[in-house]
Amino acid sequence: TAGITQAPTSQILAAGRSMTLRCTQDMRHNAMYWYRQDLGLGLRLIHYSNTAGTTGKGEVPDGYSVSRANTDDFPLTLASAVPSQTSVYFCASRPQGNTGELFFGEGSRLTVL
Amino acid sequence: GNSVTQMEGPVTLSEEAFLTINCTYTATGYPSLFWYVQYPGEGLQLLLKATKADDKGSNKGFEATYRKETTSFHLEKGSVQVSDSAVYFCALRGDDYKLSFGAGTTVTVRA
Repeated sequence: TAGITQAPTSQILAAGRSMTLRCTQDMRHNAMYWYRQDLGLGLRLIHYSNTAGTTGKGEVPDGYSVSRANTDDFPLTLASAVPSQTSVYFCASRPQGNTGELFFGEGSRLTVL
Repeated sequence: GNSVTQMEGPVTLSEEAFLTINCTYTATGYPSLFWYVQYPGEGLQLLLKATKADDKGSNKGFEATYRKETTSFHLEKGSVQVSDSAVYFCALRGDDYKLSFGAGTTVTVRA
């Protein structure tokens, strides 16, 4: 079972360039999330989508945008990368219901120079 | 707003030692509480959860009890193994269904 697939696994990017991190799930989960993981700060929510066609801002949305054209895909775009966006990015999804459990991808490590 | 504070690491233990990772929270309403684990090179996965006060979550020998009176959800395991080496995250789900995570605690178990 694939679950959540993220791409690329790792990327080095020059400051000022744009980048899209891809996230695809095959579990038909309605809600999807993007987190960044930084040492000492844990995971912080960037953007989320409760269902296809809707998105919302999380705790640290500045410099990032998302779209949710369909249930399966939830790409995260950095329009003009800056070094402070160097991080590990995790995509997650949540099934319907009340459990609150999130399913995570394996992460995308991004380095902005 | 909702927040989670967990014990800072790193924590290094010998095999068969007792592990405790402290977690306290601040929240409005009636949050659900979780422990997630991240093994090296992988994403996070749910370890255990508790959805109401006095509930005990358990899995793989780990336990945590939802204590409303002390706003805590400490993680414990009586006898750790090398395979338990990972980063552990305490998390809270508020009424908006979004998860707030603690900073994570790195645990290394030595043979």
